[in-house]
Amino acid sequence: AQTVTQSQPEMSVQEAETVTLSCTYDTSENNYYLFWYKQPPSRQMILVIRQEAYKQQNATENRFSVNFQKAAKSFSLKISDSQLGDTAMYFCAFMKPYANLAYSGAGSYQLTFGKGTKLSVIP
Amino acid sequence: EAQVTQNPRYLITVTGKKLTVTCSQNMNHEYMSWYRQDPGLGLRQIYYSMNVEVTDKGDVPEGYKVSRKEKRNFPLILESPSPNQTSLYFCASSQKQGVQETQYFGPGTRLLVL
Repeated sequence: AQTVTQSQPEMSVQEAETVTLSCTYDTSENNYYLFWYKQPPSRQMILVIRQEAYKQQNATENRFSVNFQKAAKSFSLKISDSQLGDTAMYFCAFMKPYANLAYSGAGSYQLTFGKGTKLSVIP
Repeated sequence: EAQVTQNPRYLITVTGKKLTVTCSQNMNHEYMSWYRQDPGLGLRQIYYSMNVEVTDKGDVPEGYKVSRKEKRNFPLILESPSPNQTSLYFCASSQKQGVQETQYFGPGTRLLVL
């Protein structure tokens, strides 16, 4: 089974500064996807960024970027120019494709989450 | 607007009283899934469905049932709820193939079982 570890339960950052959230995972798969989700106080889950394991280039999305180290099984999220609206819980997630032999279609996808990092942006 | 909807958003019930949480998506997604979120445990997958009439267990399926009779709907059924099923529940959907593996989450359903 896959495991996802977020070693920082809570973090804080000054507004406009940069912060990095860490995530490590354990898997024997070679083909998989990694995600960062944001959960603000509204509790809705919002996709921040995704990374395909077969891509060496790190994904970026505006102020959000990742440092994907496949050999080290590390997937950290960097938030630049932090804003008050970035205050939220952040979850790292791992998705592997695998085949369901009872279904003749393409493989299915199971998502495993870390326990989350609570980020507070301080004015 | 593309979205995943869940109902109800909040529910208080008593032990043993059957309940259903509905989930619906308007994106024609083939893959749908249910998660529960508990403090200190993150999100854990309960059940998922790869298409109509195709469902399978996730990591924590005990005490839950699902059905997928239509592509857009994926209800979660608690036949005999117990207090340990008090949690925040999320439904999610995604395309099964291609590059759209990204899962879209509903707003969540907060359940309290007394």
